[in-house]
Amino acid sequence: GIQVEQSPPDLILQEGANSTLRCNFSDSVNNLQWFHQNPWGQLINLFYIPSGTKQNGRLSATTVATERYSLLYISSSQTTDSGVYFCAGGNKLSFGAGTTVTVRA
Amino acid sequence: DTEVTQTPKHLVMGMTNKKSLKCEQHMGHRAMYWYKQKAKKPPELMFVYSYEKLSINESVPSRFSPECPNSSLLNLHLHALQPEDSALYLCASSGWGRNYGYTFGSGTRLTVV
Repeated sequence: GIQVEQSPPDLILQEGANSTLRCNFSDSVNNLQWFHQNPWGQLINLFYIPSGTKQNGRLSATTVATERYSLLYISSSQTTDSGVYFCAGGNKLSFGAGTTVTVRA
Repeated sequence: DTEVTQTPKHLVMGMTNKKSLKCEQHMGHRAMYWYKQKAKKPPELMFVYSYEKLSINESVPSRFSPECPNSSLLNLHLHALQPEDSALYLCASSGWGRNYGYTFGSGTRLTVV
């Protein structure tokens, strides 16, 4: 199956800072998605982004399908951005191990 | 309505009990999924239903039995579970085209005692 690698595994930010999360895939995927899981376990779909760039408020994502990677940008981070960020893709929607983001006030 | 609703939110069951997890969506999605997530791990696929038919079973033990009564409902029947089956069980659905992105329910936290 598809192997998904995410980096960094952990990220600690001061409120207001910007950050970039990366996701690499072992093979081409056409359904790449980014999720945020809050401390209560709710998984929120941030982006469905098989290619190109999308923006939603302070979050944006870019997928370079030909090079099998995607980036998630968090700008002006807030404490509510804390949680685990997953990327996922493939016909069985394989998940990466996640990046745990902690935003400190 | 852009939600996937799961019930119950929490469940404690003994190893000899039979229980069911329920999942409902009214987004017209034709694919529905069960995932299992252990603490500090990513979700792992268990089952996929496409157009109400089981299309993927990821070698899940038979003590987990999925059912899709109609296009909006997905059940997971549990019987004779083991303590190591304790986890967060997540249901998801997906559409097509621009609406392909998966929508997850809030999950059922299952504890097997």
